Amino acid sequence: GAVVSQHPSRVICKSGTSVKIECRSLDFQATTMFWYRQFPKQSLMLMATSNEGSKATYEQGVEKDKFLINHASLTLSTLTVTSAHPEDSSFYICSARDGQGGVDTQYFGPGTRLTVL
Amino acid sequence: SQELEQSPQSLIVQEGKNLTINCTSSKTLYGLYWYKQKYGEGLIFLMMLQKGGEEKSHEKITAKLDEKKQQSSLHITASQPSHAGIYLCGADYSPVFGKGTRLSVIA
Repeated sequence: GAVVSQHPSRVICKSGTSVKIECRSLDFQATTMFWYRQFPKQSLMLMATSNEGSKATYEQGVEKDKFLINHASLTLSTLTVTSAHPEDSSFYICSARDGQGGVDTQYFGPGTRLTVL
Repeated sequence: SQELEQSPQSLIVQEGKNLTINCTSSKTLYGLYWYKQKYGEGLIFLMMLQKGGEEKSHEKITAKLDEKKQQSSLHITASQPSHAGIYLCGADYSPVFGKGTRLSVIA
């Protein structure tokens, strides 16, 4: 089946640094990718919708200057957490939409655990 | 093996009818989440259940977690076309999801 990868799977960084997380669709082209975050023992929350070649659409309350999203190609979207702070520590998950061939399915990446010291 | 099983995989109901979607976990749940995804859009969080026997409602959608905390049901009363989409259950042992239930509501 379709696979979505995320890199890195785990990252620890110092406060004030920026962290880039990559999301790749490995065997299909994803015109749309989604980014979620999940705090411990809480639900997934949609952060933004990323469309290839255009600006991401952010959900209410998500700072676009803090969480930079770039969907540079049909198989890659990146999320950059800029000037990370401890409160940004979370589990970040991407998903990619496969809308080709009459299928409309979303595949999830394995997630990236970010810890900001 | 799949730790979260959802049933049915797909459901077609007539507008106005009630329906139920089930989610069964192979492990005890300390947090069970229900999400809805409209076709082509991101997941939207509906509700979270934590306690055995807990029941919550969101508009015409009610979800319950059984006393043993291994099974949850999502019930929609008087379904509307706006209820159509994919319903996913998620577990606290994230990022595990059920495979989803695709709901179509026919006018």
